[in-house]
This record gives sequence, C-alpha cells and structure tokens, in this order.
Amino acid sequence: GAVVSQHPSRVICKSGTSVKIECRSLDFQATTMFWYRQFPKQSLMLMATSNEGSKATYEQGVEKDKFLINHASLTLSTLTVTSAHPEDSSFYICSARGWGLEGEKLFFGSGTQLSVL
Amino acid sequence: ELKVEQNPLFLSMQEGKNYTIYCNYSTTSDRLYWYRQDPGKSLESLFVLLSNGAVKQEGRLMASLDTKARLSTLHITAAVHDLSATYFCAVDIPGTASKLTFGTGTRLQVTL
Repeated sequence: GAVVSQHPSRVICKSGTSVKIECRSLDFQATTMFWYRQFPKQSLMLMATSNEGSKATYEQGVEKDKFLINHASLTLSTLTVTSAHPEDSSFYICSARGWGLEGEKLFFGSGTQLSVL
Repeated sequence: ELKVEQNPLFLSMQEGKNYTIYCNYSTTSDRLYWYRQDPGKSLESLFVLLSNGAVKQEGRLMASLDTKARLSTLHITAAVHDLSATYFCAVDIPGTASKLTFGTGTRLQVTL
C-alpha cells in the first residue's frame, strides 16, 4: 500500500537556526502534499498545500517566508522552518494523496517533533 | 469557513462499555474521515465515509455518516484498554480535493 515517509522524526535546534523536514511518497507519485502542524493536546491545523512544480499555497496566518515549502519532484516535498524560535516548537505532519484498497485516500507521514531551545 | 466540532472532547470509560463520539460539520463536504492518534505519533486512518447513510465497521469501532444532518458518529462497542487514544474526524474542504479540516479531537481513556 501507499506509504509516506517523513524525516526526521524528532529534531532539537537552537533558536535562530533553520530546520528542514522531508516528506516522501515511497511508492506513488504525489502531485499534491499537505503540511499540518499540531500543538500539544490540540487538533491539526493545515499550514500549506504543496504543489509539484509550482509555489505552495499557504493558509491564512501562515508566514510563507518563515515556512519555506519546496515540492521539486513528484515524490518529495520539504518544509524548512527558517530562523526557528521557541514558539515554532510543534509537531509537524505531512500528508499526500494516493490510492489505497478503497480508492483515493490521504496518507500521513509519521510526523516530526520540533523543539526549539 | 468550514467548522468541524467533536464531542465530547474527553471521554473516560470503563472496559466493556459502549459509547459514541459525535462529529458535526458546518457545510457540505465530499468525504469524512476518522483517524486515531496515539501520543507522540502520527495519524492512523480508521474510516473514510463517502456518502449519506454510509456505515463502516472495523472490530469494536463503527462509523456512520448522515450528510443531511452533517453529522458523523464513531461508536465504540465493549471498549478495551487498547482503544485509548485521541480520535479525530476530518472533513474535505469542498472543492479543494483532500484539503482537510480536522475536528477538535476526542481523547478517549479506557480504564480497567
């Protein structure tokens, strides 16, 4: 079945540094991927839609210069948190559309826990 | 703006008991999803409901969809401790193909 791989699973960084998170669709092509963030004990909030070969579409209130998204191929999207600050600490999850036994569905990566010191 | 609300937000129940989690959404949608999330983990897909009256069951969990009422339910039968997790419903944002709005989540704790 379709699998989405996300790396790293956990990252700790100093304030002011940049962190890159990768999201790969392992056995299918994903023209569209989605990036979510989740604060502790809260729901998932969509940050942006990543489109292969074009610019990402950001949700209202999400800083595009802060959260850089690149979708250079049909199997890879990256999210770079630039000049990270403690308030950026969160759980980031990507998802991609693929095909399962019941037809098209969304597959989620394993998530990345970002801690900014 | 699509809003998705779940209730209850927190549910503590004894093993062997039955209970239902409710998911209300504010506008028409193509699909409704149920996911499970364990602490520190990503989402595990449970059900995808595509049409009015759809009912799906897997083990002790059963999900249903009433598109006219904009309501989905997740029913737990004879709960066991292993079902302890947070459950989310999510709804496709109309016209955006797989862009999801998630519900508030229901944290389920099954006690022995």
